[in-house]
Amino acid sequence: DAGVIQSPRHEVTEMGQEVTLRCKPISGHDYLFWYRQTMMRGLELLIYFNNNVPIDDSGMPEDRFSAKMPNASFSTLKIQPSEPRDSAVYFCASTWAGTEAFFGQGTRLTVV
Amino acid sequence: GENVEQHPSTLSVQEGDSAVIKCTYSDSASNYFPWYKQELGKRPQLIIDIRSNVGEKKDQRIAVTLNKTAKHFSLHITETQPEDSAVYFCAASSGSARQLTFGSGTQLTVLP
Repeated sequence: DAGVIQSPRHEVTEMGQEVTLRCKPISGHDYLFWYRQTMMRGLELLIYFNNNVPIDDSGMPEDRFSAKMPNASFSTLKIQPSEPRDSAVYFCASTWAGTEAFFGQGTRLTVV
Repeated sequence: GENVEQHPSTLSVQEGDSAVIKCTYSDSASNYFPWYKQELGKRPQLIIDIRSNVGEKKDQRIAVTLNKTAKHFSLHITETQPEDSAVYFCAASSGSARQLTFGSGTQLTVLP
C-alpha cells in the first residue's frame, strides 16, 4: 500500500475562494482523521470518521469548514470561503482500530 | 476533553548524550500514548507507543515510561545522533478510535 495519500501537496488561493483538500486512506482502515498544524496552535484534530460516518466534528473551527467521506477510500475537507488565518498544513491520517495512526504527507495551504 | 502538556519546547544536547521529553495528560480515561517524530516539512511518524497497562517500553535507543497515577509519560532517547534532530510530539487518546490529542512539540537539536 502506498500509505495515506493527500492532494494537492501545496495550495495557494485568494481569500474568499473555495478550497478542497483530498485524502485517500490506507485500504482497510476504518478510521480517518483530519488534523491541522500551525505554529500557534500545534496539531489539532478537526474531525474524524468511522466507517465513513462523521463521529466527532467538535474541532472544526467554523461553519466555513466541512468534511465528507463518500466512501471508504476517499475524503474531502472543504473551506468556503477561505481566509488568511486558515493558512496551515492539513494532515489526513487513518487507522484500523487498535493500531497506530498513519499520516499523509499533508497539504500546505496558503490563503493570500 | 483531553489536554496534553509537553516540556521542554526546545532541547539541545551533545551527540551521544541522552534526551528526555516529558508530557502530562488530564483525562484519566486515556489509555494510549504514542510519540511522533516530525522532520522539517514532513509528516509525523510514530516512533514508539505505550498502552496504559504497561509502565515502560523500549525499542533500541528509545524508551517511553508511563506513570498513570501521576498522569505523565516521558520519552527517553539515549546515545543521541544528529539524525535524531526533529520535532517530537507526545499524544494521548482513549477508546478504540485513536483520535489523538497532541502536546505542543519539542524541537530537539543534537549538536555534533
